[in-house]
Amino acid sequence: EAQVTQNPRYLITVTGKKLTVTCSQNMNHEYMSWYRQDPGLGLRQIYYSMNVEVTDKGDVPEGYKVSRKEKRNFPLILESPSPNQTSLYFCASKGGYEKLFFGSGTQLSVL
Amino acid sequence: AQSVTQLDSQVPVFEEAPVELRCNYSSSVSVYLFWYVQYPNQGLQLLLKYLSGSTLVKGINGFEAEFNKSQTSFHLRKPSVHISDTAEYFCAVSDRGSQGNLIFGKGTKLSVKP
Repeated sequence: EAQVTQNPRYLITVTGKKLTVTCSQNMNHEYMSWYRQDPGLGLRQIYYSMNVEVTDKGDVPEGYKVSRKEKRNFPLILESPSPNQTSLYFCASKGGYEKLFFGSGTQLSVL
Repeated sequence: AQSVTQLDSQVPVFEEAPVELRCNYSSSVSVYLFWYVQYPNQGLQLLLKYLSGSTLVKGINGFEAEFNKSQTSFHLRKPSVHISDTAEYFCAVSDRGSQGNLIFGKGTKLSVKP
């Protein structure tokens, strides 16, 4: 089954404790992206990647890092999380101009 | 760079009434346009897309959208809504010049009341 797998589904952490949210797709897609969703602000893009070893900043990259060492994985790293990074995060992938496939989301709370 | 404006953050409507959710975009190049829907506590799924050809695009669940290049709009319509259409709807745009990074609008919450 074609899917984007995000883990964990829920995460509660404390300020400053490094964390990684994993994202993996099994469709051999070149394009992958991370979004955060906040009430009233819609989906804001954090980082995206057009291919292996190619990443670009989205609208809200501050406080986040990503890597794309292999095509299927695109982890999101928060080196020193802060409360303003409490949000719902989505990973997505697509091949060419076709639709985006979304992961199930990660609800992150930073205390 | 592209941008997307969804003019209404919330749209309340009664069941079986028609609805239009508005979307305007700006871009210096030709674009592809999409509408995604997010039901409560779920991820996003594609409703419909415009890539080329007919400017009237039909999607799932009876929704349709019309691409208007002169007005840079891609409004979503349904002639008769159901309670089950209650969801948040996102308009999105990508340019044609590359693989197409996708930019989303802020979303419109559609609430269908009995």
